[in-house]
Amino acid sequence: GESVGLHLPTLSVQEGDNSIINCAYSNSASDYFIWYKQESGKGPQFIIDIRSNMDKRQGQRVTVLLNKTVKHLSLQIAATQPGDSAVYFCAENSGGSNYKLTFGKGTLLTVNP
Amino acid sequence: SQTIHQWPATLVQPVGSPLSLECTVEGTSNPNLYWYRQAAGRGLQLLFYSVGIGQISSEVPQNLSASRPQDRQFILSSKKLLLSDSGFYLCAWSLDRYEQYFGPGTRLTVT
Repeated sequence: GESVGLHLPTLSVQEGDNSIINCAYSNSASDYFIWYKQESGKGPQFIIDIRSNMDKRQGQRVTVLLNKTVKHLSLQIAATQPGDSAVYFCAENSGGSNYKLTFGKGTLLTVNP
Repeated sequence: SQTIHQWPATLVQPVGSPLSLECTVEGTSNPNLYWYRQAAGRGLQLLFYSVGIGQISSEVPQNLSASRPQDRQFILSSKKLLLSDSGFYLCAWSLDRYEQYFGPGTRLTVT
């Protein structure tokens, strides 16, 4: 797999703890945000999305919070499991009709058993 | 259900050799298609996107090109590879919304 730990921010948690992964975005005109999970050597997998008319959205064990005032997005994972170990990317829409996304740098989450 | 395929999964090519990576999508029509590159420990860099057959938009000037000969086929090519072309290449698709779905990727090593 990739040596993703060399340049990425990292977060290490114990199994069963809650994890919070943060992301700052730059475009105040962005109105749609996605969190992706990427396991080593695989393509990113959609986790959850949120539109700018919301400040919170919940999924299964995950919650995304959006603070438009400070242009901040967070992903909360409840009862983190070893299978949650991966790189997590936030993405924001780049506008226009071609539906482009701009991805953040990613955060490596390591869950210790 | 929709599925996206990429091949080859891994590729080792010498500098100066040509490249052809293929991506196909099943189970949907007229998708938007995207090629990304991901260097080790880095985020995703959008290379090309396509909103229809023969319609290609380039995001980053480089020695790569893309083509879309069929509705659900997207090809990434190069005439002469550089060492800096090494990376993990990802294809993605979307419909008329922002959510993109990614393929398994191709690991390219240029030697």
